[in-house]
Amino acid sequence: QSALTQPASVSGSPGQSITISCTGTSSDVGGYTFVSWYQQHPGKAPKLMIYDVSNRPSGVSNRFSGSKSGNTASLTISGLQAEDEADYYCSSFTSSSPWVFGTGTRVTVL
Amino acid sequence: EVQLVETGGGLIQPGGSLRLSCAASGFTVSDNYMSWVRQAPGKGLEWVSVIHSAGNTFYADSVKGRFTISRDISENTLFLQMNSLRAEDTAVYYCARASPGLITLNYWGQGTLVTVSS
Repeated sequence: QSALTQPASVSGSPGQSITISCTGTSSDVGGYTFVSWYQQHPGKAPKLMIYDVSNRPSGVSNRFSGSKSGNTASLTISGLQAEDEADYYCSSFTSSSPWVFGTGTRVTVL
Repeated sequence: EVQLVETGGGLIQPGGSLRLSCAASGFTVSDNYMSWVRQAPGKGLEWVSVIHSAGNTFYADSVKGRFTISRDISENTLFLQMNSLRAEDTAVYYCARASPGLITLNYWGQGTLVTVSS
């Protein structure tokens, strides 16, 4: 199972909105509604930000939103803040294994 | 409060074995899907293995035949037995839980570092 494809880096200024893409195939992202997004700060464990494409766990800011179209899922961070600077990973259920992760995107707040 | 605490990491020579433990509190391990995910230094996340609440186990191709996931109900602990270790197994290993009804890993431990080197 190949990793899902994410841009290596995305940047934005405080207050702006950014979008991170996550591209897979019909055997993972395109075939299921089980897409999740994780935030990971350096030296820390991943934190779930979005699950089932667009649902936010309790306690996650509504500045984070998710969507999916075809084989590509997206995470949008609106009103970018300094604390949002981190690595972000998508993941999806697949037809051949429970989870596959994306390649990861470093978000930089300018 | 849900908590996952991994232990057992360390430096091991290629070809050696190591057993990781993940002590859970705040929930019952055997009622959930429990998984191991690893992250090589400076790299992305890689799913390693899962054990379902029914006891079914699944593995990534990269570790199949070498790693074994298991759980101890009495200790409420998840394990990962790692044999025939290779340099490419060097990573931080995270224990994670998928709450009942979810197909996502919504609770993670802090991770334990495994270094395979001579």
